[in-house]
Amino acid sequence: DGGITQSPKYLFRKEGQNVTLSCEQNLNHDAMYWYRQDPGQGLRLIYYSQIVNDFQKGDIAEGYSVSREKKESFPLTVTSAQKNPTAFYLCASSPGQGATGYQPQHFGDGTRLSIL
Amino acid sequence: SQQGEEDPQALSIQEGENATMNCSYKTSINNLQWYRQNSGRGLVHLILIRSNEREKHSGRLRVTLDTSKKSSSLLITASRAADTASYFCATANSGNTPLVFGKGTRLSVIA
Repeated sequence: DGGITQSPKYLFRKEGQNVTLSCEQNLNHDAMYWYRQDPGQGLRLIYYSQIVNDFQKGDIAEGYSVSREKKESFPLTVTSAQKNPTAFYLCASSPGQGATGYQPQHFGDGTRLSIL
Repeated sequence: SQQGEEDPQALSIQEGENATMNCSYKTSINNLQWYRQNSGRGLVHLILIRSNEREKHSGRLRVTLDTSKKSSSLLITASRAADTASYFCATANSGNTPLVFGKGTRLSVIA
C-alpha cells in the first residue's frame, strides 16, 4: 500500500538534545511538508520541499532543520534551539512540482514529541 | 499565517442529524480543501473545490464555495458516530505557495 510512514510514534527529548523525526513516502510525490500541531490548534508549516536537494522555510522554521537528499525521505531535526518543542508533528506529501497548493496532501500519522 | 477560520470551533449533534461547518478566508484563492482528522491521527483529504466551482458533492459530503463572501461550508448529511473528528479547511492561493490550514471544527456525533 502506498503511503507516508512517520517514526517514531512517540519521542522524548532531553534538554539540550537534538532529535530527528523520520518521514518516508512511497507515493512518488515530489513535494513534502512538515507541520506542527499544538493541542486544539490547526497546522503550522515548518518546512517544505518541492524537489530533491531543495527546501523552503515555512511560518515557524526557527529551531528546526530539514534535509531532502532522496525523493522519498524528508527528515526533520528538532534542535536544542527550539525551546518549546512539545507538539504533534505531521509530515505530508503531494504530487507534482510547483503550485504546491493545487493538489491534495497525503499525511502520515504523526510523531508526538515531549520534553523529559 | 492562518488564512481559513472555521466556525463553529466545536459542534455536537445526534446521530442521523446533519452537520454544517463554515470556513472564512481573507485573500483570493485558487482552491479550498477540506480535511478530517481523527484523534491522534494524520489528516485525511475529503474534497477540493476550485475557485470557479460553487458546489461539490462526495458521498454524504456537500461543499459550497462563495468567493464573493470568501467563505465555504461543509455539510455532512445523516451523520454517524464514525464522523466524530476535527475538520479543517485549507486554502491555496494563486501562485506557488503551500496550503494554509485553519484551526478546525471539532465535531462530536452522539449515538
